[in-house]
Amino acid sequence: AQSVTQLDSQVPVFEEAPVELRCNYSSSVSVYLFWYVQYPNQGLQLLLKYLSGSTLVESINGFEAEFNKSQTSFHLRKPSVHISDTAEYFCAVTHLRGSARQLTFGSGTQLTVLP
Amino acid sequence: EPEVTQTPSHQVTQMGQEVILRCVPISNHLYFYWYRQILGQKVEFLVSFYNNEISEKSEIFDDQFSVERPDGSNFTLKIRSTKLEDSAMYFCASSGQIEQPQHFGDGTRLSIL
Repeated sequence: AQSVTQLDSQVPVFEEAPVELRCNYSSSVSVYLFWYVQYPNQGLQLLLKYLSGSTLVESINGFEAEFNKSQTSFHLRKPSVHISDTAEYFCAVTHLRGSARQLTFGSGTQLTVLP
Repeated sequence: EPEVTQTPSHQVTQMGQEVILRCVPISNHLYFYWYRQILGQKVEFLVSFYNNEISEKSEIFDDQFSVERPDGSNFTLKIRSTKLEDSAMYFCASSGQIEQPQHFGDGTRLSIL
């Protein structure tokens, strides 16, 4: 069984400030890790993914996340946020075995960027 | 960019009625999924579908639920006799190869009265 913990349900931050959204996972097998973003009244959009290789992964809009196997973490960071980054962010994990890859999601973190 | 599309965006149904939620996955994708999110709770996996059969299903996916790929483009979720607790946002997702990320639709909000 696998699980995902997002410790912060709400993160308010001022525009142009840095932000870190925390994600920890537990799994007995190797995993793939994802961050999805949900804007109001929209579906889940893939923000970035860790499948293998470099432990630091980046998105096109300035977010990055680092896979830390020893700490079982996959925290999301951005050095300078914009108002448009206001959304709910979900960390998700899937295991590498089996015939399909169900995603297990964290409870989400609402990021609110303040002017 | 190709998208997963879901219809309707909002479905209101009387308790005990059957409901069918529809999804059109990305055209060359092979793996299909349904998830749901009850208001204020986590997104939960319901079922995965590959090669015209269910690959995995969760405890939530009981005998009241069924999935079907009736043609080459649609993927449907049927709830046979809806309950109040079925009220949720239902998301369809698809992926190409099994190791590729899943792409989600905008969801169908199901309200059971």
